[in-house]
Amino acid sequence: DQQVKQNSPSLSVQEGRISILNCDYTNSMFDYFLWYKKYPAEGPTFLISISSIKDKNEDGRFTVFLNKSAKHLSLHIVPSQPGDSAVYFCAASSSGGGADGLTFGKGTHLIIQP
Amino acid sequence: DTGVSQDPRHKITKRGQNVTFRCDPISEHNRLYWYRQTLGQGPEFLTYFQNEAQLEKSRLLSDRFSAERPKGSFSTLEIQRTEQGDSAMYLCASSTGPSLNYGYTFGSGTRLTVV
Repeated sequence: DQQVKQNSPSLSVQEGRISILNCDYTNSMFDYFLWYKKYPAEGPTFLISISSIKDKNEDGRFTVFLNKSAKHLSLHIVPSQPGDSAVYFCAASSSGGGADGLTFGKGTHLIIQP
Repeated sequence: DTGVSQDPRHKITKRGQNVTFRCDPISEHNRLYWYRQTLGQGPEFLTYFQNEAQLEKSRLLSDRFSAERPKGSFSTLEIQRTEQGDSAMYLCASSTGPSLNYGYTFGSGTRLTVV
């Protein structure tokens, strides 16, 4: 049972345009969400996060939007650059109970075309 | 500091053999995590240490798996009597505090192939 879903295995975007990666979750206990970026043969790298008390968090070219009622979040990258080509993972966590493991989606492979 | 180091990078083993992986976290990080990633999937949480204490274990961590973090520094993950289903990338990560606030720093992983 996938609690964090990234329904697009891949996404192709032209350089300079906006990339929008989507993520849905089913567990209402999740209250913190993170995005990671992964290049081949490397471990995932933390990009940006958002708490459920917010609906938007911005860091440079990266913005994450959270819609709690729809249990949906998205990562916007603008403008997209060739170095953004990677697999992007959405992850979620629950702050209650002291648990500290993250639940990841399957990832979306972003390809930035010149 | 070169980040989170994992050794070996690749391991091929015969079914039924035992394997052990090592993770050296970033030196000031007191939290250490093990994840497993299979092809086409995201990382799956296995276990987590705060200093030397193992505070959480996933249901994925069967009796054949054991993790240690003696002295709260490096960690080892041992898989006994390996099975083909154990073939995966094993990722280690570390952080200075809860993942909610700090994210993690991941290592490059150990790729295990069981033949």
